[in-house]
Amino acid sequence: GNSVTQMEGPVTLSEEAFLTINCTYTATGYPSLFWYVQYPGEGLQLLLKATKADDKGSNKGFEATYRKETTSFHLEKGSVQVSDSAVYFCALSDRTGGSYIPTFGRGTSLIVHP
Amino acid sequence: DAGVIQSPRHEVTEMGQEVTLRCKPISGHDYLFWYRQTMMRGLELLIYFNNNVPIDDSGMPEDRFSAKMPNASFSTLKIQPSEPRDSAVYFCASSSGLQETQYFGPGTRLLVL
Repeated sequence: GNSVTQMEGPVTLSEEAFLTINCTYTATGYPSLFWYVQYPGEGLQLLLKATKADDKGSNKGFEATYRKETTSFHLEKGSVQVSDSAVYFCALSDRTGGSYIPTFGRGTSLIVHP
Repeated sequence: DAGVIQSPRHEVTEMGQEVTLRCKPISGHDYLFWYRQTMMRGLELLIYFNNNVPIDDSGMPEDRFSAKMPNASFSTLKIQPSEPRDSAVYFCASSSGLQETQYFGPGTRLLVL
């Protein structure tokens, strides 16, 4: 079956530090890959996505590249801000297979200190 | 569009009571998902609908849980009877396709005493 593995948190950084949150996946077909962000007390919202190999998704300074050869979709940001403190979820959706189940990772908490 | 709307935002109830959570998806979306989020288990997909028809309910924990979607603009998740271990945040999400972005509601925070 499909699965998503994220690095465990929390990740604690100082403002303006470089961020990497690792995400690897297994899928039976050709999935679309997503990063969602959840701010305290809110629902998840899309941060970025990529639909095919070598695509790069980007938004608000965050980037992630769909790497089929390494089955990875790592999230990066060059300079984090306090306002980036949130929980980040890697996810995939796989069109092939008998039963479509959107698959989310466990989430990685990011804490950014001033 | 107002986004996905969920009600109530908070629910406190006693063990054994019936709980009904409500969701209004984004107009035009034909997929609707119910999730449960806890610290221990993370985000779990409970059930999803396509064009108001339940497609996969394998994530529904047990018979105490049921979900309906009587029309394209409304869905309910019911727990009867509720138990303390059902305490969680329940999210509804909708999308326009299998590989499209899911739009989440703000969630219902349920506490069963």
